[in-house]
Amino acid sequence: DIRMTQSPASLSASLGETVNIECLASEDIYSDLAWYQQKPGKSPQLLIYNANSLQNGVPSRFSGSGSGTQYSLKINSLQSEDVATYFCQQYNNYPLTFGSGTKLEIK
Amino acid sequence: QVQLKESGPGLVQPSQTLSLTCTVSGFSLTSYHVHWVRQPPGKGLEWMGVMWSDGDTSYNSALKSRLSISRDTSKSQVFLKMSSLQTEDTATYYCAREAEIVMPTYFDYWGQGVMVTVSS
Repeated sequence: DIRMTQSPASLSASLGETVNIECLASEDIYSDLAWYQQKPGKSPQLLIYNANSLQNGVPSRFSGSGSGTQYSLKINSLQSEDVATYFCQQYNNYPLTFGSGTKLEIK
Repeated sequence: QVQLKESGPGLVQPSQTLSLTCTVSGFSLTSYHVHWVRQPPGKGLEWMGVMWSDGDTSYNSALKSRLSISRDTSKSQVFLKMSSLQTEDTATYYCAREAEIVMPTYFDYWGQGVMVTVSS
């Protein structure tokens, strides 16, 4: 199974700041990576797919990058509505696997 | 519009079998794959298995011996059955649609989830 190591586990930042969340795959996943946002009590929502493609309707302050085994999610100009837990997911191979999540809070 | 909605019992006794239904609308089960994903309270996401658009299934090997996924296309429903439930199976169970049919991809739509507690 491909292991997805996500960091940090939690993050506190101020409004307007830029934050980065990292995801490291245990093997090359060839950019087959998605990022999801999960707000408390809600289901995950797709933000980014194919490592760097923005899902329709997602604000442009969200961006993804990376290749091979290393990927990152960047959130520019942090807003209060960005408080959530963020997960990465690889879909290069089955079983599909997720990172352990990054809980983002406002300082 | 595309919707998925899970339904099932909120409480299951240990050693019993869990039965969940995912009712979809806005797309056909013969055109998209539908997956089951679960999330224990306060924890991460675990992929459980998939009902392929052609009616075949695949399962996470960690759950394969206990898990069965089926469907009724006439009712636009996908079913999950998992046997021998234990307390560690307490989780929110989601069904999710895979965005593309041709190759493994991401989930573009998720259901609201159903919380299942395993307890006597």
